[in-house]
Amino acid sequence: EDQVTQSPEALRLQEGESSSLNCSYTVSGLRGLFWYRQDPGKGPEFLFTLYSAGEEKEKERLKATLTKKESFLHITAPKPEDSATYLCAVQGGSGYSTLTFGKGTMLLVSP
Amino acid sequence: DVKVTQSSRYLVKRTGEKVFLECVQDMDHENMFWYRQDPGLGLRLIYFSYDVKMKEKGDIPEGYSVSREKKERFSLILESASTNQTSMYLCAMGGSGSTTDTQYFGPGTRLTVL
Repeated sequence: EDQVTQSPEALRLQEGESSSLNCSYTVSGLRGLFWYRQDPGKGPEFLFTLYSAGEEKEKERLKATLTKKESFLHITAPKPEDSATYLCAVQGGSGYSTLTFGKGTMLLVSP
Repeated sequence: DVKVTQSSRYLVKRTGEKVFLECVQDMDHENMFWYRQDPGLGLRLIYFSYDVKMKEKGDIPEGYSVSREKKERFSLILESASTNQTSMYLCAMGGSGSTTDTQYFGPGTRLTVL
């Protein structure tokens, strides 16, 4: 059974204070690891897909990295508008293209 | 831009009512998914469909059914709504078959069952 654990559950940062969110996973045959951003009361918004260990992707102040056991979402010099819940999900090697999600990290960036 | 629309943003129903939640996609994807999201439990897969008239149970299918008569529409049905089905319901679409494709989500329906 695929499993995803995200840490911390919640993170409070000052504007400009860089940090990282962690996503640890166990999966039989990783086909893809996905990061989403979710604002309160809205559907998740796609950020990145990572396919293999060593891969990195960047978008504005966000950078996602992947190892064989975990992924990090690095947030550089965050702004208040980066406040959201960040979700990690994995797609395993068997069967249909379903995703297993972690419970998310709630990020609050204060001005 | 990828677009997934859901029929209602907010819905209030009474216990025992039959409830229909509809999802429409505009990208011709074969795979469509229904999730529910609850505080502390995260996103959980209810049902998914990989083709018209084809469906598969997810992790928590009890109390739900689905219908996919056309490729672009995927409906979630609560046969007899109960208070423990009060939740945020999210529809997603993406890819075909077992491909590694990103899932794109709709805005969600906040359902309250009284």
